[in-house]
Amino acid sequence: NAGVTQTPKFRILKIGQSMTLQCAQDMNHNYMYWYRQDPGMGLKLIYYSVGAGITDKGEVPNGYNVSRSTTEDFPLRLELAAPSQTSVYFCASSPERGSPDTQYFGPGTRLTVL
Amino acid sequence: KNEVEQSPQNLTAQEGEFITINCSYSVGISALHWLQQHPGGGIVSLFMLSSGKKKHGRLIATINIQEKHSSLHITASHPRDSAVYICAVLTQGGSEKLVFGKGTKLTVNP
Repeated sequence: NAGVTQTPKFRILKIGQSMTLQCAQDMNHNYMYWYRQDPGMGLKLIYYSVGAGITDKGEVPNGYNVSRSTTEDFPLRLELAAPSQTSVYFCASSPERGSPDTQYFGPGTRLTVL
Repeated sequence: KNEVEQSPQNLTAQEGEFITINCSYSVGISALHWLQQHPGGGIVSLFMLSSGKKKHGRLIATINIQEKHSSLHITASHPRDSAVYICAVLTQGGSEKLVFGKGTKLTVNP
């Protein structure tokens, strides 16, 4: 199993550009999450999904969109990139809520908006 | 005030020392996670706790639900334990969300 994969690893965007951060998992997990991590701050939840076709906002959803058309994929879309979106983005997945299994994190995408 | 507070923020230890990292939370939870983030940025989940104590190798995690407090202990610390340790709580209710602490940066010197 590859676990949770994210692409790209690094990206530099200009203000106003758009991009999609890709996330995929091959563990057949229902739950998937997108987090951002700013320097010196805890991870913040952007969006999450409890299954294909179901998404919901997290703590900091503004400026982002997601979709979940399959169990495996959970892309994060940035429209009109702003410097405030400079961060490291982590995708994660987990099986059912309350499961003794742990959350599995992707390696992260470091995004800089100039 | 953050819903999840960790202490200390930074911790430096000598190899072999016993390490304790604390996590306090102010919300109702159904579970608590301890995560490890290595200098390269990768995040690994160490434990998920809903009561009592768990042990994995040199790592021990405890939780006191009544006091809303958890501790992560590292016995016989080693330089390879140097990382940021993050506490996160799964809040009660219908939403499936983790609320994260800011992390404790541990440096273990040889």
